[in-house]
Amino acid sequence: KQEVTQIPAALSVPEGENLVLNCSFTDSAIYNLQWFRQDPGKGLTSLLLIQSSQREQTSGRLNASLDKSSGRSTLYIAASQPGDSATYLCAVISSGGSNYKLTFGKGTLLTMNP
Amino acid sequence: DTGVSQNPRHKITKRGQNVTFRCDPISEHNRLYWYRQTLGQGPEFLTYFQNEAQLEKSRLLSDRFSAERPKGSFSTLEIQRTEQGDSAMYLCASSFWRGDRGGEKLFFGSGTQLSVL
Repeated sequence: KQEVTQIPAALSVPEGENLVLNCSFTDSAIYNLQWFRQDPGKGLTSLLLIQSSQREQTSGRLNASLDKSSGRSTLYIAASQPGDSATYLCAVISSGGSNYKLTFGKGTLLTMNP
Repeated sequence: DTGVSQNPRHKITKRGQNVTFRCDPISEHNRLYWYRQTLGQGPEFLTYFQNEAQLEKSRLLSDRFSAERPKGSFSTLEIQRTEQGDSAMYLCASSFWRGDRGGEKLFFGSGTQLSVL
């Protein structure tokens, strides 16, 4: 059974810093990995999708890397801003078993300090 | 196109009542998913449709839950005889399935927050 873990569970950083969020998964047989953002009480916004054959994806200040063999992904946020405060979730679609659903981690709650 | 739309945004009900949620996916998307999220947890898969066919249901989906997607467009999720443990955010997502699992990107709605008193 695929399990996704995100560390840390919460992170508080000063504005302007570069930061890294971590995601690990137990089964390396995946189709893709996605990073989402969730604001309090709201739905999920897709940030980046990395296919299993790719090693990274970039969008603006965000860069996500994937090391499938070690079961790890990182989300790098450059020059953090107040609007970056949110919960960041990673999720994978596994290529074995139930390959139609996303398995999510519990998320990292990011709080920006002024 | 305004994305995935879910109604209502919030629903408060008494234990034992029936509730129904609606999801309108992105118009050209052929797959539609339902997830449930409780506080401090990531979303958990409930069920999904490809066009109008419901292809899989999670063990989380007891027989009090039923989902439909008539004509492969909007979907409804009904919970009968609600229990306090049903309180959660119910999220809908849609995607355009081209046969390439690696490239399937899900777009989520804002969710329906259910509170069972």
